[in-house]
Amino acid sequence: ILMTQSPATLSVSPGERATLSCRASQSISSDLAWYQQRPGQSPRLLLYGASTRATGIPARFSGSGSGTEFTLTISGLQSEDLAVYYCQHYNNWPPVLTFGGGTKVEIK
Amino acid sequence: QVQLVESGGGVVQPGRSLRLSCAASGFTFNDYAMHWVRQAPGKGLEWVAVIFFDGSKKYYTDSAKGRFTISRDNSKSTVYLQINSLRAEDTAVYYCGRDSGQPLYSYLDFWGQGTQVTVSS
Repeated sequence: ILMTQSPATLSVSPGERATLSCRASQSISSDLAWYQQRPGQSPRLLLYGASTRATGIPARFSGSGSGTEFTLTISGLQSEDLAVYYCQHYNNWPPVLTFGGGTKVEIK
Repeated sequence: QVQLVESGGGVVQPGRSLRLSCAASGFTFNDYAMHWVRQAPGKGLEWVAVIFFDGSKKYYTDSAKGRFTISRDNSKSTVYLQINSLRAEDTAVYYCGRDSGQPLYSYLDFWGQGTQVTVSS
């Protein structure tokens, strides 16, 4: 299964909404996670099960979708949201974790 | 709090071997599967391997089969990644991560800070 993210780069003004897309090459139900990787840092889990926020993640991060089309929405973008965002499909048999290529969010 | 601390990276000549370590704390280590993920310079994330709670099951991405070995020592709360016959394309930051267990082998809920491996003569 291939995971394709778009766009590669997204430039958004502070306070605006950022919409990131992740597409699977075949249906993956809701077996999708999203991660944030700020410059120079390790990835951080944002969402799992396509739409459930991880502990401590602000409510401005939301996820939707199932099957092959998924969306990460950042409402009210803040400067600290400057990062690359990755989607990841998990298939627990055989165990394979597949990451998308990432979307870089820039602050306009 | 959960902490994962990788070590063992460095500059290594092609063809040599390296063992990376990831020391865990802040949780019951032997209740969780553990992963290794790598990131080449300027590139995205690539899953490498996962090991079951007790080390009895190990799974690898296709490109890692044969040269990479994941292992763990639950008495030391440490997971390892042995890389043999290093190649230039193995140059990357290597991260360890804790499997959430929801379900098993799914997503990583905690990540270490990473250790840099550079393969160069």
